[in-house]
Amino acid sequence: QKEVEQNSGPLSVPEGAIASLNCTYSDRGSQSFFWYRQYSGKSPELIMFIYSNGDKEDGRFTAQLNKASQYVSLLIRDSQPSDSATYLCAVNFVSGGGADGLTFGKGTHLIIQP
Amino acid sequence: SAVISQKPSRDICQRGTSLTIQCQVDSQVTMMFWYRQQPGQSLTLIATANQGSEATYESGFVIDKFPISRPNLTFSTLTVSNMSPEDSSIYLCSVDLTGSYNEQFFGPGTRLTVL
Repeated sequence: QKEVEQNSGPLSVPEGAIASLNCTYSDRGSQSFFWYRQYSGKSPELIMFIYSNGDKEDGRFTAQLNKASQYVSLLIRDSQPSDSATYLCAVNFVSGGGADGLTFGKGTHLIIQP
Repeated sequence: SAVISQKPSRDICQRGTSLTIQCQVDSQVTMMFWYRQQPGQSLTLIATANQGSEATYESGFVIDKFPISRPNLTFSTLTVSNMSPEDSSIYLCSVDLTGSYNEQFFGPGTRLTVL
């Protein structure tokens, strides 16, 4: 059974602080991991992806992957009110790579308080 | 990235009718996907559409209910057949621009309401 788990929140973070979003997944053989941001009434926007254990940084965003613990996280530094959105964790469960549909978590609603 | 468009952007339909949703990409892509997002829920994969082959459906979704066409590398359609109010959702297409790493980019979605 393909499962991706996220805390639905809401997660409230003061402006300028670090927002930490977490995700666990069920299949140890999963290969690729994605974070999408979805504003209300809009479609998901890909903001980070990670394939290897460790950290990957892109601007204010850092994705962290721990395959042994089946855990993915997203850190947002210097949080801004415009970061307020639902963040969706998605996993490609196909072993060996290759393109396939994604399994999404239910999303974490993040609120950045000015 | 790519420009992905969907038509219609929204529609209100009567029970028992069918609606065809179009997805157009401005570059050639091998893999296209269709998802559903029910109100207040996350995304659920309906099917994978590769050009030149039959669509592959996920558990719980069948071709008779959600027929898909993929006539070329830039276009796909999803039909929602014999609709009921439970089909009221946002339907999204996505494309994998890399062809291997599954970095999917989404169209703007079609908001469907079935009365």
